[in-house]
This record gives sequence, structure tokens and C-alpha cells, in this order.
Amino acid sequence: DADVTQTPRNRITKTGKRIMLECSQTKGHDRMYWYRQDPGLGLRLIYYSFDVKDINKGEISDGYSVSRQAQAKFSLSLESAIPNQTALYFCATSVGPSSYNEQFFGPGTRLTVL
Amino acid sequence: AQKVTQAQTEISVVEKEDVTLDCVYETRDTTYYLFWYKQPPSGELVFLIRRNSFDEQNEISGRYSWNFQKSTSSFNFTITASQVVDSAVYFCALNRGDSNYQLIWGAGTKLIIKP
Repeated sequence: DADVTQTPRNRITKTGKRIMLECSQTKGHDRMYWYRQDPGLGLRLIYYSFDVKDINKGEISDGYSVSRQAQAKFSLSLESAIPNQTALYFCATSVGPSSYNEQFFGPGTRLTVL
Repeated sequence: AQKVTQAQTEISVVEKEDVTLDCVYETRDTTYYLFWYKQPPSGELVFLIRRNSFDEQNEISGRYSWNFQKSTSSFNFTITASQVVDSAVYFCALNRGDSNYQLIWGAGTKLIIKP
């Protein structure tokens, strides 16, 4: 079984709808991240969490919110989806506290907002 | 400010050729970490290597090798005798030494290996 899972894998929705993307991990890592990937732009950090009580905004948090329900679960919500939020979304985990440690990624969620 | 530049948007070579992917970074920190990740056509992101700023030794892993040069702020990746399975997008990333900071990603280089 995959260590970092994301649901759904693909989602098509309409402008204005509320969407939740979910991430679960079995790696026992305390740090979790949400990124979006757009062609030619690499990965951009949306939110990150160092533990259940610690949530931080990333580079592009506007229009998004997150919830860390447990150490193993980190959800990303789009309160009112808009077409420019069409992208590939990745969840990742890492071991704290050192930034030396690599991140492990889920398979991604492809979101299309019409 | 920190920045990672992967100037090569796309590279196309014929199988068995050697290919080098460039990564140039900017940071004022003395302690930092550099990473390479691979994203094959299936879409997942796979960690390849990390290097800390105090270790300038080059690394070789099979057909893959990495050249870290602080003097030119570069961390280049070479694939020797490329294979079709090497086709992917490759990302270089930088993190500060402080544990509270996050990865800064390059835009990625798409590598196409033709049979």
C-alpha cells in the first residue's frame, strides 16, 4: 500500500463549488504539506503543518484552507473554486525537525474547475 | 532571497547519449540543502538525492551523477548512457538550514529520451 494517499485522484467541478482534497499517510511523519503544480512553474507551497496544532500559510494560500484532523490526515479545501485553481495538487510528508530530510509525495490530485 | 533556476525548459536526446541538467541556486545562507526529484510521466514525485552545503563531494549512483560547486552556486545532474525510462521532468530544490523553512523549487526540466 502507498505510504501517502490522496483522494480523489481526479475531480472536475464547477466555479463556485466547495471542494475538499484529502491526504492520508502511514509513514508516521509529523510534517505535512500541500502543493500545487502548474505547467512551467514547478511546485508552489499552499499550506504546511509541522504537527496537529501548527498550521502555516505557504506562498499561495489565498483561496485555500486546510485542516489537520490527526497526525496522519491533512485536508485542503477550496471554499469557492475558480478556474485558475485548475492544477495538479500534491500532498507531501517529511520527518521533522531538520530541513535536511526529503519530502515524500502522494500520487497527486488533478483538479479541473470549469 | 532564495531562488532556484533551471534554465533548460526541455531537453531532447537520443538514447545512450549523456545529458546534463543544470541547476543554479541563490542563497545567502551558509547552511542549506539541495535536492533533486524526478517526476515520470505517471506523475508521482520521486526523491533522487540531497546534498548539504558543507559537502561538495560529487555523487555517483549507477548512471546518475551530481556535481555540486559552491563557487558557481550550481548543483548539476548528469545521466550517462541515457535510457527511455529516464524520460521525466526533473526538479531541483533548495532548503535553508533552519528547520522552519520550506523547499524552494526550480521550474523543472523536461527530459525526453528518444529511442
